Amino acid sequence: DIQMTQSPSSVSASVGDRVTITCRASQDVSSRLVWYQQKQGKAPKLLIYAASTLQSGVPSRFSGSGSGTDFTLTISSLQPDDFATYYCQQANSFPITFGQGTRLEIK
Amino acid sequence: QVQLQESGPGLVKPSQTLSLTCTVSGGSISSGDYYWSWIRQSPGKGLEWVGYIYYNGITYYNPSLKSRVIISLDTSKDQFSLKLSSVTAADTAVFYCARQTMTMIRGVSYPNNWFDPWGQGILVTVSS
Repeated sequence: DIQMTQSPSSVSASVGDRVTITCRASQDVSSRLVWYQQKQGKAPKLLIYAASTLQSGVPSRFSGSGSGTDFTLTISSLQPDDFATYYCQQANSFPITFGQGTRLEIK
Repeated sequence: QVQLQESGPGLVKPSQTLSLTCTVSGGSISSGDYYWSWIRQSPGKGLEWVGYIYYNGITYYNPSLKSRVIISLDTSKDQFSLKLSSVTAADTAVFYCARQTMTMIRGVSYPNNWFDPWGQGILVTVSS
């Protein structure tokens, strides 16, 4: 199985900050990398697929980049609604696997 | 706008079979345009993909669960179901159903391996 490792596991930031979350795959997943946002008690919400394609309706302050084994999710200017847990997921091969999550907290 | 809703018992005894159903509204499960998956989330294992089913009954399971999982569908009700046998406390989790789009390559359908939308989730506790 492909192991997905996110860093940091948690981060504190303020409204308006720029935040970057990193995801590393244990083997090459090409650009088949997905990002989700999950709020407490809710299901994950798709943000980005194919490493950098924004899902319809997702604000443009979210962006993704990377290929191969190293990927990043960037939020350009944090809004109050963005404080949540973020997960990466590799979509390259079965079984589909997820990162352990990065919790984004208010400073 | 398609919506998914999980249903089933919230408590299952050890060694028994967990059974859940996902009802799809606002779309047809038999259209062939989507794959339908189960995913679970537990504090210990995080998010874990369980398996998917296609409208024609083709399934693919996570090898770690394959010996205990069956996913089936009922197109007449726009529902698909999960059965997980011989459960233990380690199977306690929130179970989600979710949809995957698909891509046709040379006349063959392949799932796009991202999930949208998801159901709200259902907590299943394994305990005597």
